[in-house]
Amino acid sequence: DTAVSQTPKYLVTQMGNDKSIKCEQNLGHDTMYWYKQDSKKFLKIMFSYNNKELIINETVPNRFSPKSPDKAHLNLHINSLELGDSAVYFCASSQELGSAPLEAFFGQGTRLTVV
Amino acid sequence: TQLLEQSPQFLSIQEGENLTVYCNSSSVFSSLQWYRQEPGEGPVLLVTVVTGGEVKKLKRLTFQFGDARKDSSLHITAAQPGDTGLYLCAGNFGNEKLTFGTGTRLTIIP
Repeated sequence: DTAVSQTPKYLVTQMGNDKSIKCEQNLGHDTMYWYKQDSKKFLKIMFSYNNKELIINETVPNRFSPKSPDKAHLNLHINSLELGDSAVYFCASSQELGSAPLEAFFGQGTRLTVV
Repeated sequence: TQLLEQSPQFLSIQEGENLTVYCNSSSVFSSLQWYRQEPGEGPVLLVTVVTGGEVKKLKRLTFQFGDARKDSSLHITAAQPGDTGLYLCAGNFGNEKLTFGTGTRLTIIP
């Protein structure tokens, strides 16, 4: 049983193309995220959605557009891909339970290579 | 902007040795977590600490949260090759997101 699954795992595409990455979680969580991990393994939040509503947008270029059709899905569409977009993109989810600490569960990642 | 610095950045030791990695911030955490990430996989949560001075143990791993809740350490006893991976601390500063540290890449040599 995969808790957070994202597709595809690998994506190689040319500059200027538009691509999408899909994410689904079966944990019943209310909040989903997209993170970007660069070549130095630094993990940086891009977006956060809570019950389909955008709550965090960390100054990401507007070529990146997240969409959440329901609270179990959060997709990421990227327009006009650039070389600098090459990275590993992780989807994650968490459950807000009052004052309980925020704990994230991650997918396996999508390695995007722009050539 | 909250920054989490981890040290060392890279660590390579022999199987059976002990090691400690550190996570430091200039801001107070409301909670802190440690994750381990293996190649080709996403980070996996190891532990969450909330209370200043808290110590948690997970088999050979011991996690400590600083009294002032600005730092944490992870100590591994008798390291094994299976401990190899990228160790990430992540802090919540009372807002709706986790901020990740710079990471420690650990290699255990058989």
